[in-house]
Amino acid sequence: ELKVEQNPLFLSMQEGKNYTIYCNYSTTSDRLYWYRQDPGKSLESLFVLLSNGAVKQEGRLMASLDTKARLSTLHITAAVHDLSATYFCAGSLSKLIFGQGTTLQVKP
Amino acid sequence: DTAVSQTPKYLVTQMGNDKSIKCEQNLGHDTMYWYKQDSKKFLKIMFSYNNKELIINETVPNRFSPKSPDKAHLNLHINSLELGDSAVYFCASSQDSGSSTDTQYFGPGTRLTVL
Repeated sequence: ELKVEQNPLFLSMQEGKNYTIYCNYSTTSDRLYWYRQDPGKSLESLFVLLSNGAVKQEGRLMASLDTKARLSTLHITAAVHDLSATYFCAGSLSKLIFGQGTTLQVKP
Repeated sequence: DTAVSQTPKYLVTQMGNDKSIKCEQNLGHDTMYWYKQDSKKFLKIMFSYNNKELIINETVPNRFSPKSPDKAHLNLHINSLELGDSAVYFCASSQDSGSSTDTQYFGPGTRLTVL
């Protein structure tokens, strides 16, 4: 059974700093997704990573996938307050299995 | 236009009551889902329908019954509500034929509080 674990679960950082959220998964996953959730809001799709070595970037966020290590990372560059949210990774194997979520708090 | 919509947004009710949550998507997708997000933000799939046919039915109490009148709608009926049912319920949809490999688009969520 596919299990997905994220770390850290909570991240408080200063604006302008860089940081990485890690997402490990236990068995083969068809794809790896990253979603963002603002407090009290829905989930917004950020990235879909399809194959080993895939890298996608959108603004200050960059996601990568290493299928051999069963690891995906979400790198935040020069964080700004607007990036404060909870970030979920999810693997898929006939259904989406979500990680626990990483709550990011960016302080001015 | 809202892609995936849910009603109601908030639902407060007493233990033992029966309630329904409605979901509609206007994306023309074939597959729809119900997820439960608990107080720790953990998200877990409950059900999935593809073209009105149930394809995923997780270990969910049979007090929960999904119904899909057509491929654009997926409703969730809950009987005999319990305190532990309090959560946010998200509907989602995707284009694929049920393999969950396409991006899923989520509705705004329904916050259910059972007193």
